[in-house]
Amino acid sequence: GQNIDQPTEMTATEGAIVQINCTYQTSGFNGLFWYQQHAGEAPTFLSYNVLDGLEEKGRFSSFLSRSKGYSYLLLKELQMKDSASYLCAVGIGGNTPLVFGKGTRLSVIA
Amino acid sequence: DAGVIQSPRHEVTEMGQEVTLRCKPISGHDYLFWYRQTMMRGLELLIYFNNNVPIDDSGMPEDRFSAKMPNASFSTLKIQPSEPRDSAVYFCASSLVWDRAHEQYFGPGTRLTVT
Repeated sequence: GQNIDQPTEMTATEGAIVQINCTYQTSGFNGLFWYQQHAGEAPTFLSYNVLDGLEEKGRFSSFLSRSKGYSYLLLKELQMKDSASYLCAVGIGGNTPLVFGKGTRLSVIA
Repeated sequence: DAGVIQSPRHEVTEMGQEVTLRCKPISGHDYLFWYRQTMMRGLELLIYFNNNVPIDDSGMPEDRFSAKMPNASFSTLKIQPSEPRDSAVYFCASSLVWDRAHEQYFGPGTRLTVT
């Protein structure tokens, strides 16, 4: 089976840095995605990693270690609008669609 | 492109009634996915299509649920009869084959409430 684990909830302070971890055990791998989902809205694409290392995009960075089955999403200079759920998803390959984790609900407090 | 379009955005119905949710994928996308999202279970894949053909419907909870894709630009998810436990947000998503390991683009969702 496919398994993706991420913490259920996290809280962080405005202006701080937060790291959201994701571990996966899947039958195949051809990429890892992070999606952001604000309450009452659809998930939207944030980042994609297929090679080991860090991908930086503004305040957001995503890291991947394929040998460890591990990824994290790093959010810097947190803003109140970053309060949302963050979904980790893995591409298995072939015709198999993305496998999603249950998401991490991040609350940014003043 | 307008993105993935879903209708209705909100649906309130009584137990036992038939519910039909609609989706128009992004033009040119080969895959269409139907998901259900609840607080308890997160995002669950119900069924997906490739080139209008259902590939995997193992996520469909029971026979009350059915989905069709009569052409490349339209899909429906039907629940008959509906039950209170079907209350959830239903998302449709589409993707382009070979596009970054199936990066998916989500519609705005249909919030279904069954009373």
